[in-house]
Amino acid sequence: DAGVIQSPRHEVTEMGQEVTLRCKPISGHDYLFWYRQTMMRGLELLIYFNNNVPIDDSGMPEDRFSAKMPNASFSTLKIQPSEPRDSAVYFCASSRTSGRGADTQYFGPGTRLTVL
Amino acid sequence: QKEVEQDPGPLSVPEGAIVSLNCTYSNSAFQYFMWYRQYSRKGPELLMYTYSSGNKEDGRFTAQVDKSSKYISLFIRDSQPSDSATYLCAMRAGGTSYGKLTFGQGTILTVHP
Repeated sequence: DAGVIQSPRHEVTEMGQEVTLRCKPISGHDYLFWYRQTMMRGLELLIYFNNNVPIDDSGMPEDRFSAKMPNASFSTLKIQPSEPRDSAVYFCASSRTSGRGADTQYFGPGTRLTVL
Repeated sequence: QKEVEQDPGPLSVPEGAIVSLNCTYSNSAFQYFMWYRQYSRKGPELLMYTYSSGNKEDGRFTAQVDKSSKYISLFIRDSQPSDSATYLCAMRAGGTSYGKLTFGQGTILTVHP
């Protein structure tokens, strides 16, 4: 399996522009997570989906952030308009319900976003 | 106050040393405890998983959970330069919160030859 795939790997944009991050989870996984990682705040859960349905979006910082999962193999995280404080590494992760309570979340390589 | 506190380090040790990494937490509902390892410019990967209190050993790694003290630890024996990474503790409550992990800040570890 190719693992979780994210694109782009790097994104540099100017303040006010729309940014779209993309994620392809591991086939057969029913959970998908979006995280943001910064030096100051560490790794923060933004939103997660189960069977393509958003379950908890309490970590989404503002209305400027939105996420969709139109099907089991694709999800997007959009920031509109972007601001310099959105600069971070954004990770997508996926997992499969095991029934044992184990939480092996498989992370993608991340998208490094810089907003100028 | 953060729900999970982890000393960010950095921690530098010689090869062969025993490393101790720790996290404290405030949410008594946390039941599942994990350690993730993150190499530079990579995503985190699950290293150890423990349910409730107790110890778990896997090769050179031992995870300990003390729920009464709200304290978890990861020990690395005979540390190797390849163990150099950021180690993040993670935890979650039971029941309907499946999937919702809360991570510590991460501890940067360097093992020098």
